[in-house]
Amino acid sequence: QKEVEQDPGPLSVPEGAIVSLNCTYSNSAFQYFMWYRQYSRKGPELLMYTYSSGNKEDGRFTAQVDKSSKYISLFIRDSQPSDSATYLCAMRPRGSTLGRLYFGRGTQLTVWP
Amino acid sequence: DTGVSQDPRHKITKRGQNVTFRCDPISEHNRLYWYRQTLGQGPEFLTYFQNEAQLEKSRLLSDRFSAERPKGSFSTLEIQRTEQGDSAMYLCASSFAYPLREGYEQYFGPGTRLTVT
Repeated sequence: QKEVEQDPGPLSVPEGAIVSLNCTYSNSAFQYFMWYRQYSRKGPELLMYTYSSGNKEDGRFTAQVDKSSKYISLFIRDSQPSDSATYLCAMRPRGSTLGRLYFGRGTQLTVWP
Repeated sequence: DTGVSQDPRHKITKRGQNVTFRCDPISEHNRLYWYRQTLGQGPEFLTYFQNEAQLEKSRLLSDRFSAERPKGSFSTLEIQRTEQGDSAMYLCASSFAYPLREGYEQYFGPGTRLTVT
């Protein structure tokens, strides 16, 4: 079993829809949670970054972390065709000497006009 | 400095050949990471440096792989005797490291796509 599980989709929604993307994880030591967006054949681009539990909002994007359930979510409001990409969740444990990120496999999202 | 840069962007090589990739991190960042990503999968950690010291290596980094970061600036990743299974996107990322502060972000470069024929 992988430490981070993410449904690969694909997910296809109409423009303007609310999109919900999710990941589960098994390692209770994970404390930092990130969402990256990756366009085809490009490097991942950092979207959101949260520490421990709670919500964080940035424009049309909201990240939620539920550590008790080991479950994180990314919500995209008023989705746009330009949001079409693969969304990767990533996480790491607490500790400045622990550098690696653990990624999900990514969810492929298409927003059609 | 506009971000992490990687060179080359694409590399096609024949099985058994050696290849070397270069990564230039964001100039203020003292940590540099290498990841590998295959089609339909998330990036997998290979190794990372803090300044010139290589602090962690994944089991994925077989003895055919070697990474260096001389003088704590750019880094190179070399694959010797390439195999078809090495075909992947090789991603480099960089970040700050604050020993007394938790939390930092990793910023990724565009990647080097390797195809081994």
